[in-house]
Amino acid sequence: SYVLTQPPSVSVAPGQTARITCGGNNIATKIVNWYQQKPGQAPVLVVYDDSDRPSGIPERFSGSNSGNTGTLTISRVEVGDEADYYCQVWDSTSDHLPLFGGGTKLTVL
Amino acid sequence: EVQLLESGGGLVQPGGSLRLSCAASGFTFSSYAMNWVRQAPGKGLEWVSTISGSGGGAYYADFVKGRFTTSRDNAKNTLFLQMKSLRAEDTAVYFCAKDIITANSRAFDIWGQGTMVTVST
Repeated sequence: SYVLTQPPSVSVAPGQTARITCGGNNIATKIVNWYQQKPGQAPVLVVYDDSDRPSGIPERFSGSNSGNTGTLTISRVEVGDEADYYCQVWDSTSDHLPLFGGGTKLTVL
Repeated sequence: EVQLLESGGGLVQPGGSLRLSCAASGFTFSSYAMNWVRQAPGKGLEWVSTISGSGGGAYYADFVKGRFTTSRDNAKNTLFLQMKSLRAEDTAVYFCAKDIITANSRAFDIWGQGTMVTVST
């Protein structure tokens, strides 16, 4: 079955740019969604279709997908961006069922 | 306002059963597939099940097949997850999530706040 690999943690100073990766075999052939989850809260969709943002999500959040890596980029990081971030694809090797990455904890120093 | 509200979680013994509910409001419930996603304490998100808008098709993760059943009542805007033969490893917060068709695929655009299921003696 398909596997998504995310780094357990990423740290960045306020105002800097955070890049959270999602590795998978030829992931560029899949569509990647990204979810933000703050402690004790439900996940929130922040990027869909690799690079589109739902209404209400700041332009600071962007996504890309190429080769074996999908990337969520958060520009001008704020303290309020500290959260867990999960990538998600549809696993074509398993009846196109949803698959989540293991999650990345973003710490804003 | 689009909203999902789960209920029905609690403490259950191994081998026991539990039924979760997810009440939807603010959108045409029957037009959207719905999902259950769980999160064990301190762990990541794990997809559990999807049901089509009509309820005619349901899909399950291998680790719940034969034990969990997803259903929906479109007249009452409610999603259900019937869980039986529960195991300690089923302990998790269970979220319901609304499906959305995007330009190129699908995504989970609205999530409930979750309901905790604890399987323990």
